[in-house]
Amino acid sequence: GAVVSQHPSRVICKSGTSVKIECRSLDFQATTMFWYRQFPKQSLMLMATSNEGSKATYEQGVEKDKFLINHASLTLSTLTVTSAHPEDSSFYICSARGQQGNYGYTFGSGTRLTVV
Amino acid sequence: GIQVEQSPPDLILQEGANSTLRCNFSDSVNNLQWFHQNPWGQLINLFYIPSGTKQNGRLSATTVATERYSLLYISSSQTTDSGVYFCAVGLGGGTASKLTFGTGTRLQVTL
Repeated sequence: GAVVSQHPSRVICKSGTSVKIECRSLDFQATTMFWYRQFPKQSLMLMATSNEGSKATYEQGVEKDKFLINHASLTLSTLTVTSAHPEDSSFYICSARGQQGNYGYTFGSGTRLTVV
Repeated sequence: GIQVEQSPPDLILQEGANSTLRCNFSDSVNNLQWFHQNPWGQLINLFYIPSGTKQNGRLSATTVATERYSLLYISSSQTTDSGVYFCAVGLGGGTASKLTFGTGTRLQVTL
């Protein structure tokens, strides 16, 4: 079945530094990738949608200059949290859809970011 | 945007018990899915069910699209069923294919 690999699974960084999270579709071409953020005991909130080769579409209230998304190939999307602050600490999850646009959203295993 | 509410927010069951989780949504949708998030955070797709009824083992789901709700049934619950259950809805293809997640039901199954 479809597999999405997300790395790293956990990261701790200092305030002011940047962190990059990778999301790879291993056995299918992901024309669309989604990035979510989940705070403890809360639901998943969509941050942005990215299509291969084009700029990401950010949800209202998400700072595009802070959360840089790159979807340069059909198998890789990255989320970079720039100038991270403690309030950016959260669980970040990516999801990918294949070229057929089927209903099969495949999720990565998530990245737990802690900013100290 | 579309609102997705789930109930109950928390549920504790003894192993072997049955349960029904509900998902209400505020607008017509072309896509409705149920997910299970395990204690490690991994999301697993359970059902794609924009309408009708489906069953998979001890789990089944029913969506009544005209009344904007979906139900997830868990029978003979096991401790491995513990975690958070989300329904998520969407409007179909293109950039509208994004999913909006519900508020979730946190299930704990005890021995």
